[in-house]
Amino acid sequence: EVQLVESGGGLVQPGRSLKLSCAASGFTFSNYGMAWVRQTPTKGLEWVASISTGGGNTYYRDSVKGRFTISRDNAKNTQYLQMDSLRSEDTATYYCARQDKRLHWFAYWGQGTLVTVSS
Amino acid sequence: DIVLTQSPALAVSLGQRATISCRASQSVSTSSYNLMHWYQQKPGEQPKLLIYDASNLASGIPVRFSGSGSGTDFTLTINPVQADDIATYYCQQSRELPFTFGSGTKLEIK
Repeated sequence: EVQLVESGGGLVQPGRSLKLSCAASGFTFSNYGMAWVRQTPTKGLEWVASISTGGGNTYYRDSVKGRFTISRDNAKNTQYLQMDSLRSEDTATYYCARQDKRLHWFAYWGQGTLVTVSS
Repeated sequence: DIVLTQSPALAVSLGQRATISCRASQSVSTSSYNLMHWYQQKPGEQPKLLIYDASNLASGIPVRFSGSGSGTDFTLTINPVQADDIATYYCQQSRELPFTFGSGTKLEIK
């Protein structure tokens, strides 16, 4: 059974940093691209970033480029999202997702972790 | 960015057909693929993949779910609707980055 478990969310002040982790199990982690997707009641679902199987290719939405870094450790079956210079508009539930092999759809999702950016 | 437009809500009776539409601001099809995908999200839960590449049923999804469409117009059909299908349904395109989602259609029972 595919399982994705996020951790690392919480309350953080604007301008500070936070690092999310996603522990994967139930599949061969190194064979799949991974992603982070966030959700808010006002903006809905927003794709944040994706990473290829080996980590050599990364993709970001414009609003997080230069502030967020997606990475993975295939030996630990874990992906990460380093979030720097956080803004109030980054407040959301962040989901870890396993993508398909073509890096197009999100086949499996974690339960999400809430990030609140507020002073 | 490609904008995906969905109606906010749809009310249907149990046992009837539900047709949920998604319109893209530009074509999301290539010569090989129709790059539209559908998700179901129940309150308090994460989204769940239903359909990929417009018409392919994801693993473990009941056959009462189906998808169709190409270019800019896509449809998710649930037939027959069951009580367990009450949820919000989202479309998502992968024709170009950034991947974008529709705002969701909430399925309600009449």
